[in-house]
Amino acid sequence: QPVLTQPPSSSASPGESARLTCTLPSDINVGSYNIYWYQQKPGSPPRYLLYYYSDSDKGQGSGVPSRFSGSKDASANTGILLISGLQSEDEADYYCMIWPSNALGVFGGGTKLTVL
Amino acid sequence: EVQLVESGGGLVKPGGSLRLSCAASGFTFSSYSMNWVRQAPGKGLEWVSSISSSSSYIYYADSVKGRFTISRDNAKNSLYLQMNSLRAEDTAVYYCARDKVGATTDWGQGTLVTVSS
Repeated sequence: QPVLTQPPSSSASPGESARLTCTLPSDINVGSYNIYWYQQKPGSPPRYLLYYYSDSDKGQGSGVPSRFSGSKDASANTGILLISGLQSEDEADYYCMIWPSNALGVFGGGTKLTVL
Repeated sequence: EVQLVESGGGLVKPGGSLRLSCAASGFTFSSYSMNWVRQAPGKGLEWVSSISSSSSYIYYADSVKGRFTISRDNAKNSLYLQMNSLRAEDTAVYYCARDKVGATTDWGQGTLVTVSS
């Protein structure tokens, strides 16, 4: 199974932006896959945030603020979750996910976001 | 409102078996693929298994293939996970989740499975 690499932790101050990354292995082209993002707070199940394939093919989860957006960096083979206008309530764990061509789901290891 | 309620978790000895259930409501269950996702204590999310709406397509993570069996009963709006030959590393909260074209949009609260002697 492919491994999606996420930094274990990240931090930013309220009002700033947080850029969370999800790097795919070199044998999987980020341009070919939807990248799904989930938020999880302690003691709660994950919450679906959004998916991103391209600027013309993306989707926001129900009730998810537009402060959350996705993108890709093809040169780094990386999916990106951008959270703008950080709020204290955004402090959580964030997971990326893809469905490789073999249809077996893969999650990244997660990033713990701290809002300072 | 979409509701997914898992049950059947508990303490089981290594090598034992357990059957998890997930009762779905608030949507047309028979129209959606469903997933099981687990989370070991203090760890990240791990996809376990998926089943298509009519049970035609079933997939398993390598870590559970041959030991776990996913199934569903669309008449009862229920999803199941039969877990055999359980190991300590299967200890986790198991989530039932609805799939919408690849996005796991709705999650249950989870049920804890502990494998220990």
